[in-house]
Amino acid sequence: RKEVEQDPGPFNVPEGATVAFNCTYSNSASQSFFWYRQDCRKEPKLLMSVYSSGNEDGRFTAQLNRASQYISLLIRDSKLSDSATYLCVPFNQAGTALIFGKGTTLSVSS
Amino acid sequence: DAGVTQSPTHLIKTRGQQVTLRCSPKSGHDTVSWYQQALGQGPQFIFQYYEEEERQRGNFPDRFSGHQFPNYSSELNVNALLLGDSALYLCASSLAAGEPGGTIPRNEQFFGPGTRLTVL
Repeated sequence: RKEVEQDPGPFNVPEGATVAFNCTYSNSASQSFFWYRQDCRKEPKLLMSVYSSGNEDGRFTAQLNRASQYISLLIRDSKLSDSATYLCVPFNQAGTALIFGKGTTLSVSS
Repeated sequence: DAGVTQSPTHLIKTRGQQVTLRCSPKSGHDTVSWYQQALGQGPQFIFQYYEEEERQRGNFPDRFSGHQFPNYSSELNVNALLLGDSALYLCASSLAAGEPGGTIPRNEQFFGPGTRLTVL
């Protein structure tokens, strides 16, 4: 099993839609999680950090299921500007390397 | 507050050559990590530097080496370039002790814009 696996995508949705991405991880010692957003040919940018069961920030909600070792990212009321690749990253302690999934590509159309 | 900066932005080299990429971390950060991102893949960890020493290394050959300077900036060197080394090279900075706040050490890494290396 790969360390991090994400929905392959791409997800093509209309503006205003709700879309959810799943990410599974193999290291049960992972304490916390990041979702990064990466625009085409740009660097990843931190979208959301999850340190407990979940986190909500505006239209974005991340939920963590430690028993099943997966984390999801829900985007409500999708905007054109949400079109990007979303990268899931689990980690287990400060100072260690980030292990990225391949990412899930979202395309929001008008 | 300056973010992470990298130079150069683009680079074209031929097989067998050597290349040096540079990174300046975000102000206040002391740890620099390097990642390689091939087209269509997520970033792959190369190594991490803290206190001028390589603290952790990913699954990359010895052709990949690095250095961290007293001002926390860092260099990534790649020798004997191969076609497969063509990628976006990302530098990320963080605090070794993690960002303050909470009981779980935070390891929020902030990425620079990357250097796009093309090997012909």
